[in-house]
Amino acid sequence: QKEVEQNSGPLSVPEGAIASLNCTYSDRVSQSFFWYRQYSGKSPELIMSIYSNGDKEDGRFTAQLNKASQYVSLLIRDSQPSDSATYLCAVRMEYGNKLVFGAGTILRVKS
Amino acid sequence: DADVTQTPRNRITKTGKRIMLECSQTKGHDRMYWYRQDPGLGLRLIYYSFDVKDINKGEISDGYSVSRQAQAKFSLSLESAIPNQTALYFCATSDSPRDRGPLYNEQFFGPGTRLTVL
Repeated sequence: QKEVEQNSGPLSVPEGAIASLNCTYSDRVSQSFFWYRQYSGKSPELIMSIYSNGDKEDGRFTAQLNKASQYVSLLIRDSQPSDSATYLCAVRMEYGNKLVFGAGTILRVKS
Repeated sequence: DADVTQTPRNRITKTGKRIMLECSQTKGHDRMYWYRQDPGLGLRLIYYSFDVKDINKGEISDGYSVSRQAQAKFSLSLESAIPNQTALYFCATSDSPRDRGPLYNEQFFGPGTRLTVL
């Protein structure tokens, strides 16, 4: 089992729709979770961090965390073509004190 | 603006050559990291350093070495480059705990170096 798993996609959504990106992780004691956006050929950009169970909203982005299910998600409301990118989920593993990244989900927003 | 820079941005080299990738940051962060990214494999940690006197191996350190010359500088060397080291390399930084709660986990990436080994 991979430490952090994401569906590779591509996930295609129409402009204006809600995009839902999912991530599961293996370390039950992990406490810190992150979503990065990466445009093709560019570096990852941190867009959301979440540390407590529940929802965290920032503009059009909502991160959702369920530690009991070892599941973290990212919702993008009113999706725009400029949201088309690869979204990386990252989890801080308590052992080794480092971030582990999923392979990423490709999102395509069609206008 | 506080930033993370990498040089070179692109490099083509031949098998067996020694090359160095450099990373500098003006964020004032203590912690620095080197990752490589391959299609379908995500980001994998090569080495990391929590301060100038601290160097740690990541999951894929074989064939690589690092040097932390100063708080702001962290270099990655490929001692004898091979074609399967062709990848996109990223440097990242993060703060240290310093009673800031979990925020120190947030990592910030440089623009990347695209390395091709022929």
